[in-house]
Amino acid sequence: AQKVTQAQTEISVVEKEDVTLDCVYETRDTTYYLFWYKQPPSGELVFLIRRNSFDEQNEISGRYSWNFQKSTSSFNFTITASQVVDSAVYFCALSDFSPNTDKLIFGTGTRLQVFP
Amino acid sequence: GAGVSQSPSNKVTEKGKDVELRCDPISGHTALYWYRQSLGQGLEFLIYFQGNSAPDKSGLPSDRFSAERTGGSVSTLTIQRTQQEDSAVYLCASSLEGQYNEQYFGPGTRLTVT
Repeated sequence: AQKVTQAQTEISVVEKEDVTLDCVYETRDTTYYLFWYKQPPSGELVFLIRRNSFDEQNEISGRYSWNFQKSTSSFNFTITASQVVDSAVYFCALSDFSPNTDKLIFGTGTRLQVFP
Repeated sequence: GAGVSQSPSNKVTEKGKDVELRCDPISGHTALYWYRQSLGQGLEFLIYFQGNSAPDKSGLPSDRFSAERTGGSVSTLTIQRTQQEDSAVYLCASSLEGQYNEQYFGPGTRLTVT
């Protein structure tokens, strides 16, 4: 069965610190997609990134970077020089490759608090 | 352009009453999804629409829950005879046709059953 584990329930950092959010997934599919979403206090989930299982290149977007390692089934997310506006709940998700569906399987989320 | 919209934003209802939650997807998005977010349960998938048909209803928790989509656009999630455990935020998302495109979420409807 597919599963996403975000072991870190809550992380607190001081502004300008780097922080890594862990995501470990389980799937029997050879083709799959991984996603990260941000849920700020306003509540609306914001798409951050999508990655397919054939592309293990790390990705950087400004202060955000993602490290995808198939060998350890991990897709970790690092925020460099964190800011107060990064405070949110972050969800990692996995696509379900079962027939006739296109749903996402979410982890339980990591709440990040960045203090000034 | 406009994002996914949901109405109402908040709904308080008495146990046993029926409720309808509405979702307007992004224009041109053929896929539509309903999820539920509650404390202790995280984000749970409810149902997936491709056009007006629902090939995956596996997440609907009971037969009190139903959903429909008309004109390949607006969707309504109906909960009959609401129970307290139905209290949650109901999120709608839409995406372009084709699997594994990113899903764009609406602001959600917070349902409270008293």
